[in-house]
Amino acid sequence: GAVVSQHPSRVICKSGTSVKIECRSLDFQATTMFWYRQFPKQSLMLMATSNEGSKATYEQGVEKDKFLINHASLTLSTLTVTSAHPEDSSFYICSAPGTLHYEQYFGPGTRLTVT
Amino acid sequence: KQEVTQIPAALSVPEGENLVLNCSFTDSAIYNLQWFRQDPGKGLTSLLLIQSSQREQTSGRLNASLDKSSGRSTLYIAASQPGDSATYLCAAGISRLTFGEGTQLTVNP
Repeated sequence: GAVVSQHPSRVICKSGTSVKIECRSLDFQATTMFWYRQFPKQSLMLMATSNEGSKATYEQGVEKDKFLINHASLTLSTLTVTSAHPEDSSFYICSAPGTLHYEQYFGPGTRLTVT
Repeated sequence: KQEVTQIPAALSVPEGENLVLNCSFTDSAIYNLQWFRQDPGKGLTSLLLIQSSQREQTSGRLNASLDKSSGRSTLYIAASQPGDSATYLCAAGISRLTFGEGTQLTVNP
């Protein structure tokens, strides 16, 4: 099946700094990618839809100025957590739809810890 | 707004047992219903995708069914193995997925 990668897999940063997370579709193109976050023992919550060549679409309650999304190419989307705070510590996962029946393929996730 | 619920939240079974995980959704216009597996600290592995027009899908020891009229999907795991231990998530939608809370499965040797 299709492969989605994320980098880094784990990052620790200090409060107030910004962190960039990359999501790549390795063997297929994705005009749309999705960013989710997952708190411990909870399910995934959709944060935003990343659109190649246009602005991202954010879910209700997600601050677009805090979570900057850039879909730079047909295989790369980035999520930048700006001015990170401890409450932003979470597991961030991206997904991209395959070409057949929109089956979603997920990356391995990025564990962000803000100290 | 779509809501997805999974029951039970946790399940512990002895190796070799057949088991059923349940998923219910509120909006029958779901397009796709997808089952995933998540190991601790890892991303999601897609197990089965059932399109809106389908009633079930099978892959190896796994069988997933979909009943849109009742708003339910089930994941059947045959002859469970310790390696099946993981959290199983169902999600409804075609692009923007709505996830259930998951069922944490433990298969004891």
